[in-house]
Amino acid sequence: NAGVTQTPKFQVLKTGQSMTLQCAQDMNHNSMYWYRQDPGMGLRLIYYSASEGTTDKGEVPNGYNVSRLNKREFSLRLESAAPSQTSVYFCASSTYNYQPQHFGDGTRLSIL
Amino acid sequence: QQQVKQSPQSLIVQKGGISIINCAYENTAFDYFPWYQQFPGKGPALLIAIRPDVSEKKEGRFTISFNKSAKQFSLHIMDSQPGDSATYFCAASRLGYGGSQGNLIFGKGTKLSVKP
Repeated sequence: NAGVTQTPKFQVLKTGQSMTLQCAQDMNHNSMYWYRQDPGMGLRLIYYSASEGTTDKGEVPNGYNVSRLNKREFSLRLESAAPSQTSVYFCASSTYNYQPQHFGDGTRLSIL
Repeated sequence: QQQVKQSPQSLIVQKGGISIINCAYENTAFDYFPWYQQFPGKGPALLIAIRPDVSEKKEGRFTISFNKSAKQFSLHIMDSQPGDSATYFCAASRLGYGGSQGNLIFGKGTKLSVKP
């Protein structure tokens, strides 16, 4: 029973490189989310997918794109990484907008 | 306004003491108030949640107190233990609503350290 699995766990990029963060859930949840966590800033929503086939912007979507590949998988792409995108990225899932959200253990991304 | 304001940023408590973390919200349409607990290197995990139809909810050593008129809610950890040392996030949303209305708005977190 893995829950929400994120890959990779750590990544270092150079400015301008591209990267896709992967997320998969095995709880048959309909909704999936991408957050970033920065010191003193809490968790900020980047994009979410309320159900398979739909995606919407959250609070901080600039510089990111997402793909809801199927019901299980939701990926986050950085097309041209910038140092300001250095952060810990968390994927979460839930049954529609019914809480609770279940979180993965994060991807720690550094952009030099 | 969609903000959830959380205080304090950090908290040090002696073992056996009471830890209190406070949150305030602005949007009166919010009707779901969860607390998440996060250990280093891990993702947040739901700890306890409350709806506005009750003023208090208790689960073991953890209690949420809710004041609808003041638009405030707080987490109390009784008999705090070193194993409770973690970062705690409050959040708010409109339960059951689709789109952006249903998304969680998080506070900025409180780092709790419980000294032995």
